[in-house]
Amino acid sequence: QSALTQPRSVSGSPGQSVTISCTGTSSDVGGHNLVTWYQQHPGKAPKFIIYDVSKRPSGVPDRFSGSKSGNTAFLTISGLRADDEADYYCCSYAGRYTSVFGTGTKVTVL
Amino acid sequence: QVQLVQSESELKKPGASVMVSCEASGYTFSDYAINWVRQAPGQGLEWMGWINTKTGNPTYAQGFTGRFDLSLDTSVSTTYLRISKLNAEDTAIYYCARALSAAGTAENAYWGQGTLVTVSS
Repeated sequence: QSALTQPRSVSGSPGQSVTISCTGTSSDVGGHNLVTWYQQHPGKAPKFIIYDVSKRPSGVPDRFSGSKSGNTAFLTISGLRADDEADYYCCSYAGRYTSVFGTGTKVTVL
Repeated sequence: QVQLVQSESELKKPGASVMVSCEASGYTFSDYAINWVRQAPGQGLEWMGWINTKTGNPTYAQGFTGRFDLSLDTSVSTTYLRISKLNAEDTAIYYCARALSAAGTAENAYWGQGTLVTVSS
């Protein structure tokens, strides 16, 4: 199972929006509405911010939103803040009770 | 509140084995799957596999078969990751994570603090 493809880095100024893509195949992203996004700050465990493509867990601000088109999922962060600077990973169900992570994207707030 | 507490960091020699534990509390242990994730130094997250906490049945990702073994002890609400025949490439932080459902693999809402395993002679 190959890792899902994410851009290595994206950046934006405070208040702007950034979008991170997560490209897989019809066996994972495209075949199931089970894409999760995680935020990871340096030295910390990942934090669950989007699940089932577009659902937000309680406590996660609505500045974070998820969507999917075909074999690609997207995470959009609106109203970018300094504390959004972190690594972001997508993860998709890949069938047969397995999952696969994306390669990870570093978000830099300029 | 839901908590996953992992065992402390380990330093092992090549060829040795290591066991990492993950003790769960704050919920009914057998109602939710536990997934394991590896993160090598400076690298991304890798899904290793999961264990069904009702049946004890493990499932492994490609690349994590053979030397990797997931098990559990329901009497102490703890899951275990054992890695045998360690090599330098196994140096990483290993996380356990609790899924949103009994068979969930991608959607992990709660994470342990991570256990650093260092393999060095």
